[in-house]
Amino acid sequence: AQKITQTQPGMFVQEKEAVTLDCTYDTSDPSYGLFWYKQPSSGEMIFLIYQGSYDQQNATEGRYSLNFQKARKSANLVISASQLGDSAMYFCAMREGGSGYSTLTFGKGTMLLVSP
Amino acid sequence: EAQVTQNPRYLITVTGKKLTVTCSQNMNHEYMSWYRQDPGLGLRQIYYSMNVEVTDKGDVPEGYKVSRKEKRNFPLILESPSPNQTSLYFCASSRSRSWGAGETQYFGPGTRLLVL
Repeated sequence: AQKITQTQPGMFVQEKEAVTLDCTYDTSDPSYGLFWYKQPSSGEMIFLIYQGSYDQQNATEGRYSLNFQKARKSANLVISASQLGDSAMYFCAMREGGSGYSTLTFGKGTMLLVSP
Repeated sequence: EAQVTQNPRYLITVTGKKLTVTCSQNMNHEYMSWYRQDPGLGLRQIYYSMNVEVTDKGDVPEGYKVSRKEKRNFPLILESPSPNQTSLYFCASSRSRSWGAGETQYFGPGTRLLVL
């Protein structure tokens, strides 16, 4: 079974609108971390936001927020007031385990296109 | 400037010709990883290293070798490249085994490899 599922291959949004990118995860480990990365057309991977499984509040970083619904095992990325520069591929990722090193597992990504 | 560097950024080679992709980080990070990214598959981990002289297989290690003789460097070696290793490769590093807030992985710019 996939550990990270991103069901939206692509999303379109108009500039200045908010958009939600879906991510569901599968783990039986009570300790885990959830990450979102942005990959623009230039190819680099840019860290956006992090949510820990024990965090009580949803993470926010500027225009990015993470809608963390633990019981539903979802960690959706919300981008408020989209900008043209937000057009990129977005990856959700998870790392399991509270200590020691473990693999960062990525979803297959969602392509976001922001139109003027 | 804190960064992960990879060289070369682009490489075209032929089947069977050994190649090395270098990775270096200047952040004194303990943990380093190699990923490959393929369309529709997201990023998959090839190998990782928890410290000098400590390496372990990720999800797709076949056909690859790594070494970690120094903390800052983590080269990826393809002894006998094949066309199915054509991909975009990322090196990444993180400070410690903890993946709490801020302990994210920092990615290099990527290496595009084409094996003919």
